[in-house]
Amino acid sequence: QVELQESGPGLVKPSETLSLTCIVSGGSFNNYYWSWIRQPPGKGLEWIGQIYYTGITNYNPSLKSRVTMSVDTSKHQFSLRLSSVTAADTAVYYCAKEVSVGSGCALDMWGQGTMVTVSS
Amino acid sequence: QSALTQPASVSGSPGQSITISCTGTSSDVGGYNYVSWYQQHPGKAPKLMIYEVTNRPSGVSNRFSASKSGNTASLTISGLQAEDEADYYCSSYTRINTLVFGGGTKLTVL
Repeated sequence: QVELQESGPGLVKPSETLSLTCIVSGGSFNNYYWSWIRQPPGKGLEWIGQIYYTGITNYNPSLKSRVTMSVDTSKHQFSLRLSSVTAADTAVYYCAKEVSVGSGCALDMWGQGTMVTVSS
Repeated sequence: QSALTQPASVSGSPGQSITISCTGTSSDVGGYNYVSWYQQHPGKAPKLMIYEVTNRPSGVSNRFSASKSGNTASLTISGLQAEDEADYYCSSYTRINTLVFGGGTKLTVL
């Protein structure tokens, strides 16, 4: 059973870069797409982007200019960097696994989520 | 990309059936059989309930079913139970290789 765990600072200053890592355990890492999703307090889900184990990425067009995702297959982990953050980036950030390649980004395993607050 | 359109709230009594709609465009819902549905209880991560329009992951109750017609997908929950009270989100793959979510629907079991 695959498990995902997000880690990173819970507080980021405005204009700085938010950095999170998702560690995957208990299953295969290769041959899957891995996504980041966020949810502002009291609001809905927003897909940030995804990365394949080979490093291929797809990003939400509204965030693309500020997002960078990377992957480390040797450590079974992938990372998110979001630059020039503002209060609007305050949210619970989730990492998640796609069911399989070709499933249209259906996400069957999720981390518990980590709250990131942007404030000075 | 614009969020898919879902009703803000729906409600039903125990034992009844409810349906939640999810409307997109031909560039997402209507163009691909890649609609998913998620259930989210307060303070919890979303749980995949349906993928590829109609498929239920192992362990998901057969009280949950879904369909699609044109640019609108629908999730039906039959035999409503108190534990079904949650937020529900649809999502769809898009023509630009991204994922878009619906705004979410709050289900209240009366």
